[in-house]
Amino acid sequence: NAGVMQNPRHLVRRRGQEARLRCSPMKGHSHVYWYRQLPEEGLKFMVYLQKENIIDESGMPKERFSAEFPKEGPSILRIQQVVRGDSAAYFCASSGTRDEQYFGPGTRLTVT
Amino acid sequence: SQKIEQNSEALNIQEGKTATLTCNYTNYSPAYLQWYRQDPGRGPVFLLLIRENEKEKRKERLKVTFDTTLKQSLFHITASQPADSATYLCALDSFSSGTYKYIFGTGTRLKVLA
Repeated sequence: NAGVMQNPRHLVRRRGQEARLRCSPMKGHSHVYWYRQLPEEGLKFMVYLQKENIIDESGMPKERFSAEFPKEGPSILRIQQVVRGDSAAYFCASSGTRDEQYFGPGTRLTVT
Repeated sequence: SQKIEQNSEALNIQEGKTATLTCNYTNYSPAYLQWYRQDPGRGPVFLLLIRENEKEKRKERLKVTFDTTLKQSLFHITASQPADSATYLCALDSFSSGTYKYIFGTGTRLKVLA
């Protein structure tokens, strides 16, 4: 049973470009969460999605950030017009219930 | 405001001793509390979940307690080994706007010295 997959693992973007981060949840999991982590800091909740629905996006910046979890395919976190402050590790987690979350290896975004 | 506090200073202990990590929270009433381990450059890995009606939970060398009166969870690793060196995160479920999500503490870095 494959775990949570994220790609790319590393992503370099110039200021003003778009970043697309992908997350494939564990088989059978319908809940997906995105988190952001800066060095020496904890995980900051961004958004919680179920298939075709955004359940809670209270942690997501109002501008430039969007997320989706389509009926088919991976969940996508999209950052438009990236700025240096967007540089961070972005983790995706999936769960089947309210119990434990299974995390992917993360995507490290660097904005130059 | 809601707050989760973990000791931000690294904890160094000698191999074989028991490591005790603390997670304090304010302005939450979590029904679930979880502990995760995170190694550098990797995603967190789930270790244990404890519910509000459970005082203590064990798994091999790990033990978690949950005191809803003190608003505190303690995480113990007995007979610690250098391989236990990592950052440990606590997470509480937060119910708002009709949904649950987990809020994470900043983590405590544990170093077990051989």
